[in-house]
Amino acid sequence: DTAVSQTPKYLVTQMGNDKSIKCEQNLGHDTMYWYKQDSKKFLKIMFSYNNKELIINETVPNRFSPKSPDKAHLNLHINSLELGDSAVYFCASSPSTGLNEQYFGPGTRLTVT
Amino acid sequence: AQSVAQPEDQVNVAEGNPLTVKCTYSVSGNPYLFWYVQYPNRGLQFLLKYITGDNLVKGSYGFEAEFNKSQTSFHLKKPSALVSDSALYFCAVRGNPGGSARQLTFGSGTQLTVLP
Repeated sequence: DTAVSQTPKYLVTQMGNDKSIKCEQNLGHDTMYWYKQDSKKFLKIMFSYNNKELIINETVPNRFSPKSPDKAHLNLHINSLELGDSAVYFCASSPSTGLNEQYFGPGTRLTVT
Repeated sequence: AQSVAQPEDQVNVAEGNPLTVKCTYSVSGNPYLFWYVQYPNRGLQFLLKYITGDNLVKGSYGFEAEFNKSQTSFHLKKPSALVSDSALYFCAVRGNPGGSARQLTFGSGTQLTVLP
């Protein structure tokens, strides 16, 4: 059983388009995250939701909008895609209590042409 | 602000030899430290964490890490490397868990290559 899943795995699109990436976790966690990994493998947090409430919102362009319809899902919508948005986007989840590790999804490789 | 440094982009070691992947950190208050591994085209997998207690932490796949408060380090170690250990390793730190931010700050990653 997949713990944290993301769709799609690959996404190729043109500049200016709008796209969404979906994430689902079946671990019963109530905190979810979006990370961006650039071409140099540097990993940076973008957003975090706890019980559907936004708790971390790093310096990310307004073109990126997370949406959490319920505790098990955290989607990422990107408007007006730019070349610099090309990266691998990872979803993760963790229990909100304690100092628990995060569980990562397999990633979505976004290529903007 | 919290930060993590992984001073080596690449570490090469022969199979069967011990390996060390270095990590130093900076954080206000008590540090909570994690190691993750990333295999090609995969997500990150948790290896081990230090919260409190014994400075030597044991984790998955025979890995361990030593917390050194005076040197602000949390180096990852394994007594005998396997070719299958070849992957990208990330150290991460977070600060006080009571705050609203449950933010992990990751290092830049160290590519470990174990040579047969």
